[in-house]
Amino acid sequence: QSALTQEASVSGTVGQKVTLSCIGNSKNIGTYAVGWYQQTSHGAPKTVMFGDSLPSGIPDRFSGSKSGTTASLTISGLQPEDEADYYCSTWDYSLSAMVLGGGTRLTVL
Amino acid sequence: QLQLQESGPGLVKPSETLSLTCTVSGGSVSSYRYYWGWVRQAPGKGLEWIGSIYASGRTYYNPSLKSRVTISVDASKNQFSLKLSSMTAADTAVYYCARHTDTSMVHFDYWGQGTLVTVSS
Repeated sequence: QSALTQEASVSGTVGQKVTLSCIGNSKNIGTYAVGWYQQTSHGAPKTVMFGDSLPSGIPDRFSGSKSGTTASLTISGLQPEDEADYYCSTWDYSLSAMVLGGGTRLTVL
Repeated sequence: QLQLQESGPGLVKPSETLSLTCTVSGGSVSSYRYYWGWVRQAPGKGLEWIGSIYASGRTYYNPSLKSRVTISVDASKNQFSLKLSSMTAADTAVYYCARHTDTSMVHFDYWGQGTLVTVSS
């Protein structure tokens, strides 16, 4: 049981805009920024968003936002290479621990 | 460009202690700007945070693993290490080292390639 809740799967077509969500509570997402990671099959995770910042080399079709205790990763203009598993993370002060979501499998149709 | 590389045995026997090392290049584990952490992923499962360490040696561990985990830093070798005791088949996973973006431990920015550890007799 992950501390952060993500959709198990999301799908979209090439060029479409998709939004992945990460639901927490006041002790984690409600207080701290959120990171997002992309993991293609058999590969290491790659950071695609941390807080409001886009890491160097990540296309600007990726964007992040947060409202209350829910964070979102939006991909505008979906590309075939965006097909991957996506994970979110933050800190939880009641656990004094970093917490991660269970991951969302994004399929590009 | 910061690079992290995990090293250690690919096979560990049940009840033994796993020892992994993460070698950092292009940056310094002695920097007081970052925490450094370990994450694992069991086959077909999601990512699980194991713990993180600061240059001062201060550590934070996943409560579910705390009794079995020790993370340390060796500034002279620019490395940090993970020890996980009493290994069982449930600890079979790919183990990643990573750098937190800052001292908040909210997210990571750089990751290693990962190393597969199998627990089997």
